Amino acid sequence: AAGVIQSPRHLIKEKRETATLKCYPIPRHDTVYWYQQGPGQDPQFLISFYEKMQSDKGSIPDRFSAQQFSDYHSELNMSSLELGDSALYFCASSFSPSENNEQFFGPGTRLTVL
Amino acid sequence: DQQVKQNSPSLSVQEGRISILNCDYTNSMFDYFLWYKKYPAEGPTFLISISSIKDKNEDGRFTVFLNKSAKHLSLHIVPSQPGDSAVYFCAASEKSSGDKLTFGTGTRLAVRP
Repeated sequence: AAGVIQSPRHLIKEKRETATLKCYPIPRHDTVYWYQQGPGQDPQFLISFYEKMQSDKGSIPDRFSAQQFSDYHSELNMSSLELGDSALYFCASSFSPSENNEQFFGPGTRLTVL
Repeated sequence: DQQVKQNSPSLSVQEGRISILNCDYTNSMFDYFLWYKKYPAEGPTFLISISSIKDKNEDGRFTVFLNKSAKHLSLHIVPSQPGDSAVYFCAASEKSSGDKLTFGTGTRLAVRP
């Protein structure tokens, strides 16, 4: 079965550079979530989209922005990168309504800021 | 403020025996609870979920129990297999807060052959 696709899988950037992470949800899923997992930490919610509209926002810095496009893929744009932005970034998708809010995760993008 | 807690950072179990992973939460408004399994360098894999209106859900070797009065849930894996060795995350969500998942800190399960 098709899963959530994220690209790139690994990304190395310098401080103050920009980065764009892409997420392709499972076909027919209409909701996309972005999570950030720092070293040794649990995943933290950043932002979500339902039917191309932002549906919820978590602890996402103002330097980050995201959107969901007409084909339901989503992009997370990160500017003025800081060392502390180094983390695993996961995208998850779901179909609304789902039985128990099951969200299916992609493999993640590992961002390293030097 | 850690709303979802997994107090055991690690657990070691013999193959064939039962693994019990525990999770506590503080937010009584959570509607759904989910368990995810995670290998290094991979995304979390969904295992099993339960609604707050139920107290048990079973899927093959995996059973989740929910005790709302104690704000506690547990994942039972029977029988445990070496391939079950991974980090297990408990997560919860609240419909009125946009369904975002709040994760616990994870428990590393090691199943010994």
